[in-house]
Amino acid sequence: DIQMTQSPSTLSASVGDRVTITCRASQSISSWLAWYQQKPGKAPKLLIYNASSLESGVPSRFSGSGSGTEFTLTISSLQPDDFAIYYCQQYNSYLLTFGGGTKVEIK
Amino acid sequence: QLQLQESGPGLVKPSETLSLTCTVSGGSISSSSYYWGWIRQPPGKGLEWIGSIYYSGNTYYNPSLKSRVTISVDTSRNQFSLKLSSVTAADTSVFYCARVSMLRGVIIDYWGQGTLVTVSS
Repeated sequence: DIQMTQSPSTLSASVGDRVTITCRASQSISSWLAWYQQKPGKAPKLLIYNASSLESGVPSRFSGSGSGTEFTLTISSLQPDDFAIYYCQQYNSYLLTFGGGTKVEIK
Repeated sequence: QLQLQESGPGLVKPSETLSLTCTVSGGSISSSSYYWGWIRQPPGKGLEWIGSIYYSGNTYYNPSLKSRVTISVDTSRNQFSLKLSSVTAADTSVFYCARVSMLRGVIIDYWGQGTLVTVSS
């Protein structure tokens, strides 16, 4: 099974900060990685797919990069609406695995 | 606009079988570009993919749950269902049904609102 490890588990930041979240795969997954945002009491929302492709309607301050085993999600200038939990998800074959999540909280 | 809605008991006794149904509206479950899946989230914890099903009945399951999970599809009703057997308190979770798109990798692009299932006697 492919394991996904996110870091940090919690991140404290201020509005306007540049924020980076890392996701590592236990084996190479090429660029088969997605990122989701989840707010309390809500279902997750797709942000990024294929490691770096921005989902339609998602603000351009969100970007993704990486390939193989190491990936990053960057928020270029954190906005009040961005305080949430972020999950990576790999899709090497049809067996899906999520990372443990990164909570972005207000500093 | 595609919508997914979970339904089923909110309380299940230990050792029994949890059963949920997802009704899809605003689109056909028989589309060739999509699988349909179940994801769960224990209170205060992360997401866990349970499994996915194609309209033809082809399934993929999380290896850690495979022995207890059955996912089925009813194309005539535009529904798919989850059965999780021999449940314990550790299975208490919000269960989401979702559309798994194969058009942009294998990603989840539509989610139901989620339903909390508590395992307790």
